[in-house]
Amino acid sequence: GESVGLHLPTLSVQEGDNSIINCAYSNSASDYFIWYKQESGKGPQFIIDIRSNMDKRQGQRVTVLLNKTVKHLSLQIAATQPGDSAVYFCAENFYGGATNKLIFGTGTLLAVQP
Amino acid sequence: EPEVTQTPSHQVTQMGQEVILRCVPISNHLYFYWYRQILGQKVEFLVSFYNNEISEKSEIFDDQFSVERPDGSNFTLKIRSTKLEDSAMYFCATKPGPGTDTQYFGPGTRLTVL
Repeated sequence: GESVGLHLPTLSVQEGDNSIINCAYSNSASDYFIWYKQESGKGPQFIIDIRSNMDKRQGQRVTVLLNKTVKHLSLQIAATQPGDSAVYFCAENFYGGATNKLIFGTGTLLAVQP
Repeated sequence: EPEVTQTPSHQVTQMGQEVILRCVPISNHLYFYWYRQILGQKVEFLVSFYNNEISEKSEIFDDQFSVERPDGSNFTLKIRSTKLEDSAMYFCATKPGPGTDTQYFGPGTRLTVL
């Protein structure tokens, strides 16, 4: 299940290493997923998305993997940089009424050590 | 690159007072959303708005909350009588139109209720 509270899961990596952030989603019918990056005091910033008809999608230094069998999503960041330090949220897309809404996961704090 | 903007960045109010949070969506975007994030917790959906009416609202969005697009530019969230537990970051998000699911978030308004 999801954890809710003040304590965020934290991933600490060395600069230059690859980072993998994981997320479990709840609805097997969800068809669209997004990873957002949130820096302190700022709003969620779109990183990369993936549709449910795909297993993998690559962007610049980022890759998202989707495993629908176990309802698992991961974000891989290559050659992690100090500027990547932030909280990362996965979000799944729900449709209700005339439009969609996003259901966010708990978030993971990525701390990049120089 | 066009961005969602929000004002004010920080609002402090007394319990029981009314507040209005303002958002200027990205030009030509048709769908509008409010989300909130209590400190240290995940982002939660409040309401979606399309074609000048609410499409969907969450359980959080009770009778104390209302939204409107008064002048075709701003998109506002009003909290009629604030409570201590309304203290949170409030994010506006917008998306272009049907067939697109990616929502773009503003920087947020930090609401502090004393």
